[in-house]
Amino acid sequence: DVKVTQSSRYLVKRTGEKVFLECVQDMDHENMFWYRQDPGLGLRLIYFSYDVKMKEKGDIPEGYSVSREKKERFSLILESASTNQTSMYLCASSWRGTKNIQYFGAGTRLSVL
Amino acid sequence: GQQVMQIPQYQHVQEGEDFTTYCNSSTTLSNIQWYKQRPGGHPVFLIQLVKSGEVKKQKRLTFQFGEAKKNSSLHITATQTTDVGTYFCAGPRNAGGTSYGKLTFGQGTILTVHP
Repeated sequence: DVKVTQSSRYLVKRTGEKVFLECVQDMDHENMFWYRQDPGLGLRLIYFSYDVKMKEKGDIPEGYSVSREKKERFSLILESASTNQTSMYLCASSWRGTKNIQYFGAGTRLSVL
Repeated sequence: GQQVMQIPQYQHVQEGEDFTTYCNSSTTLSNIQWYKQRPGGHPVFLIQLVKSGEVKKQKRLTFQFGEAKKNSSLHITATQTTDVGTYFCAGPRNAGGTSYGKLTFGQGTILTVHP
């Protein structure tokens, strides 16, 4: 079974803190993704990585950065957390091919106070 | 840019009634995928449709891909309480090269089933 593991299920941080969200996959997938999910807005892509050290901005990258030093690990960084970044964050991974099915982690619910 | 619209946003049904959600893309899609997210859970892949006019069934779920490959539907026959959740469609984003693999998700249809 494909496993995508996110480091925390729930996280509470203060405004201005630097926040790290970690994601690890065990399927040797080339692609990894970070989404945020808000009611009524569906899944919005923050960043995408197609290989180690390679990244592309998604639809809403402002206020976020990412790091992919190893193939299995993709980190999302909130440089200075703000209250409007309170959300559910979902990590996903997939192969790079026509069958680009995405496998999701359980999600991290982040609250920024 | 590419848009994937899903309707309805919410659907409340009595157990045993049928349910359909519709997905429309602003561009032609090479394939379309459907995911289900249970309350408190994460999206889980259900199926991928590739061919124009394709119809696939999974027990009480019927998935269709339109002839023009710009729309799709998911129909559930005789809903059960286990069908509760949010159903998302998703299509590959236009652009080749490094963008290959990104999906555009619809906003999802939230299904509630009353016993």
